Amino acid sequence: DTEVTQTPKHLVMGMTNKKSLKCEQHMGHRAMYWYKQKAKKPPELMFVYSYEKLSINESVPSRFSPECPNSSLLNLHLHALQPEDSALYLCASSPLDRVEGNEQYFGPGTRLTVT
Amino acid sequence: RKEVEQDPGPFNVPEGATVAFNCTYSNSASQSFFWYRQDCRKEPKLLMSVYSSGNEDGRFTAQLNRASQYISLLIRDSKLSDSATYLCVVNGQTGANNLFFGTGTRLTVIP
Repeated sequence: DTEVTQTPKHLVMGMTNKKSLKCEQHMGHRAMYWYKQKAKKPPELMFVYSYEKLSINESVPSRFSPECPNSSLLNLHLHALQPEDSALYLCASSPLDRVEGNEQYFGPGTRLTVT
Repeated sequence: RKEVEQDPGPFNVPEGATVAFNCTYSNSASQSFFWYRQDCRKEPKLLMSVYSSGNEDGRFTAQLNRASQYISLLIRDSKLSDSATYLCVVNGQTGANNLFFGTGTRLTVIP
């Protein structure tokens, strides 16, 4: 099983709403990631969790709040978003037990629209 | 200077053609290199890792030149299904698990 799953597939939310994006993997990977991707641009890293601890936060605004309840799950809590936050939000995972490689596997993404 | 730079494309090639994509990276300490493909409105999918000795997977060949900090991807006998955006991706130093993505090269294979 090399699958990363994400829910929901699509999300429309108002600027005052609170919502959460969910990500799950069962590959035994110990690193999980959130990326944001705008149209015709490459993915931009937001957060990295290694062994369930936040290891990288790429200066993301506090209206995005990540959470890693266990090694298989990763959430992204959203609150008071702006229309410019509309994008495809991608989750990825990778093993941490390799010196080389450490390929990341992406989920299908959540397409978020903020109105 | 960007961490990873790619040919901007687009590349429009006929079926059966051979096409090559190039990529350069700025951090000489980078240790891991990958090519991903991304279809429109889909997630990036790992195409292949790039090893120092070069590697081949069917119609796809990847090369790494550490001295020039240059990575390439060659696609032989292009198929319509190869149409996608190809992303050159480079890891940071050993142990760092943040990836740097190139802006991608759009390939369209024409019947």
